[in-house]
Amino acid sequence: EAGVAQSPRYKIIEKRQSVAFWCNPISGHATLYWYQQILGQGPKLLIQFQNNGVVDDSQLPKDRFSAERLKGVDSTLKIQPAKLEDSAVYLCASSLVGPTDTQYFGPGTRLTVL
Amino acid sequence: AQTVTQSQPEMSVQEAETVTLSCTYDTSENNYYLFWYKQPPSRQMILVIRQEAYKQQNATENRFSVNFQKAAKSFSLKISDSQLGDTAMYFCAFMKGNQGGKLIFGQGTELSVKP
Repeated sequence: EAGVAQSPRYKIIEKRQSVAFWCNPISGHATLYWYQQILGQGPKLLIQFQNNGVVDDSQLPKDRFSAERLKGVDSTLKIQPAKLEDSAVYLCASSLVGPTDTQYFGPGTRLTVL
Repeated sequence: AQTVTQSQPEMSVQEAETVTLSCTYDTSENNYYLFWYKQPPSRQMILVIRQEAYKQQNATENRFSVNFQKAAKSFSLKISDSQLGDTAMYFCAFMKGNQGGKLIFGQGTELSVKP
């Protein structure tokens, strides 16, 4: 069974530029999560989707971050414009059906904002 | 709000020895889940073990076991017969039971297993 796929793996941008990350969850997984992991800290949930609907985006900085999950499968996370403090690893995870099902994580995208 | 605290930023253990990683949490919920996740260097995070708060019996998975003390809000991970492949960052995490999904992570403990 293929795992959660993410791309790109690494991205370096200048502040105020835009960037987008892509996630393909495990086939059949209804729930998808985006986490932000700043160096030296544990991951923090940014947004949770159930199929193509948003369940929780309370910690998403909506003035600059956006996310979508078209057709309830793939998802993209966008930052526009980026700030220095957005430098982090962005992790995508998916779970089968319910929110208490085990979450499987992708390899992450490491973003560096200069 | 729920918080998760891991008070040991770094730990080391000799191969084949036993090590215990500590985790405490704060919540007013009665229905919740606790997890230990492992994040090897430059590799993705994987679930090590999971505990449902309503279960009194401590979870075990091969060499990994937990000591769940609900009243003390403590959830430690014991790794027996440590192997070089256990070298990783270990995160303790909390999830509410009735509105699950959102994992709240601790700061992590970096474990080094030495030959």
